[in-house]
Amino acid sequence: AQSVTQLDSQVPVFEEAPVELRCNYSSSVSVYLFWYVQYPNQGLQLLLKYLSGSTLVKGINGFEAEFNKSQTSFHLRKPSVHISDTAEYFCAVSVPSGNTGKLIFGQGTTLQVKP
Amino acid sequence: DGGITQSPKYLFRKEGQNVTLSCEQNLNHDAMYWYRQDPGQGLRLIYYSQIVNDFQKGDIAEGYSVSREKKESFPLTVTSAQKNPTAFYLCASSTPALGRSGTDYGYTFGSGTRLTVV
Repeated sequence: AQSVTQLDSQVPVFEEAPVELRCNYSSSVSVYLFWYVQYPNQGLQLLLKYLSGSTLVKGINGFEAEFNKSQTSFHLRKPSVHISDTAEYFCAVSVPSGNTGKLIFGQGTTLQVKP
Repeated sequence: DGGITQSPKYLFRKEGQNVTLSCEQNLNHDAMYWYRQDPGQGLRLIYYSQIVNDFQKGDIAEGYSVSREKKESFPLTVTSAQKNPTAFYLCASSTPALGRSGTDYGYTFGSGTRLTVV
């Protein structure tokens, strides 16, 4: 079975500072990895995904993530955050070799950008 | 534009009442999912369906029921057996993971339904 752990429930940061949201996963098979953002009372929007290839993945809104297979991590980074980045962020995995296709989510990290 | 439509956006349920949440997609996706979101717990899978007329229980299926009579539709019924139904419910769709490795693979989410027991 797969599991996802987001190591920080809340991350406060000042505007224009860099940020890293940490995600570790557990799986005995290869996985696909995703980061989603959720604004209040809205659905999930895909930030980026890792399916294969380059381990450094660039997404929307200036975010990027690096897949580290040896450390089973997929941390999300942004070099300079804006007030508008304040939201809930979710890391998720799915199993490409499985036949269910279901996404397994971490508990979420609230990013609070302060002026 | 293709997407997923969830309705209603807000729903109020009385004690002992069944309610049905709608989820419709026009993406021609085979698989559909229902997730429940509670503060601090992430998203938990309720039910999923990979094909019409077939569905499987997720991690927290008790007190819920679904149907998949059409590819486009995957309604969720919250029954009176669900003792704590107040939550945010999200519907999603995707093409099956098996054999997919293209860059187009992924999941699309609806905008959610907030259910409150009154």
